[in-house]
Parts: sequence; C-alpha cells; structure tokens
Amino acid sequence: EVQLVESGRGLVKPGESLTLSCAASGFTFRNYIMNWVRQAPGKGLEWVASISSSSSFIFYADSGRGRFTVSRDNADNSLYLHMNSLRVADTAVYYCARAMATAGTAFDYWGQGALVTVSS
Amino acid sequence: SYELTQPPSVSVSPGQTASITCSGDTLGDSDASWYQQKPGQSPVLVIYQDTKRPSGIPERFSGSNSGNTATLTISGTQPIDEADYYCQAWDSSGYVFGTGTRITVL
Repeated sequence: EVQLVESGRGLVKPGESLTLSCAASGFTFRNYIMNWVRQAPGKGLEWVASISSSSSFIFYADSGRGRFTVSRDNADNSLYLHMNSLRVADTAVYYCARAMATAGTAFDYWGQGALVTVSS
Repeated sequence: SYELTQPPSVSVSPGQTASITCSGDTLGDSDASWYQQKPGQSPVLVIYQDTKRPSGIPERFSGSNSGNTATLTISGTQPIDEADYYCQAWDSSGYVFGTGTRITVL
C-alpha cells in the first residue's frame, strides 16, 4: 500500500524557518517525481514545488522561489521541504504528493497533510 | 502566470448530471487532471490525462478537454459526490490548479 506521511508541522513566527518531511512507503520511491502542494485555510490548492526522481530537475512556484528548497533522499525514501523567511501568507496545510509514473502531470497519491502556522 | 478558472459552485439533484468547467488559455493542448476533496480530507485524483479514471474511481466520473476548456462530468450524481473539485494542468512554469468548484447535491 502506498503511503505518504508528512511530519514537521508547527507554529513559527514570521521570518523563521521550518523543514517538512514526507516519508514514503509501498512503492519504489526513487522512480517517481515528487511534489509539495499547499492549501491555506478555507482556500484552494496551490502547487509549491516539484523534484524529479534523481533530483536533476527542480521547479518552484513563484510564491516560494528563493525561500523554499525541496530535496529528497532516495536511500531513505524521504522528501523534504525547507522553508526560510516564512510569512503569514505561508500558513497552510502542506501535502506531499506523488506524480503518476505514466502521467507525470497528475498526482495519484497524497499524504494526510502537515499544518504550518506562521503567526507572531 | 497561467490561470485555470472554475465556477465557484454547482448544484445538482441526486441522480442528475453535474458538469464542472475549467477554463485556461489553450488548455486543450495540455493534459488535464481533476481532484475531489471532501472536508478535512486530502485530495483524491478522479480523472487524469483528460479522460482516464484511476483504479477505484466510479464510472460515473468522466472528463473531456478541448480548446480552452476541460470538463468534469458526474453522471447520476450521488450524495457522496458532494465535495470540492479542482482541475490541474502543467504550464511551462509549473503545475497549476484551478480555482475550485463546490458541488452541492440537493
């Protein structure tokens, strides 16, 4: 069974940093593009970042470019999102999601989400 | 930046057909996906590559994509289909999600 489990949720102050982790199991992690998607309270889904299977290609949404860093450890089946200079507007539930092998534009498995609250 | 626009809400009676549109410039040239999200839950993929259903998704869910509009259709809508639905596509600058549509089954 495919499982994605996020951790690292928390309450931080504006300007602080936080790292989210996503532990993957039930599939060959090293073969898949992985992604972060967030959802602010009461709002829609927003793509945050994507990383290719070998970390060769990394993409960021404008909202996080220069502040967020996505990385992965294929030996440990883990995905990470390191967030610097956090803003109140970054408050959201952050999901890790797997891109389909045969249709890389679709995300077929999602974690349960990790809540990040940025508040003074 | 690329935008995908959906109607905020759609109401449908049980057993009837619900259609949700997703509009974006030359969207038909891309693969469109659709996600269902119920309150307090993670999104679930219901349509990918415009028309395909993942394993376990009921046949009443179907999709199309042409020109500037992708459409998700739910035939014989059931009360359990009440949820938020989001379209998604890939743009040269990354993935884009639609604005979201709440389907209410009255």
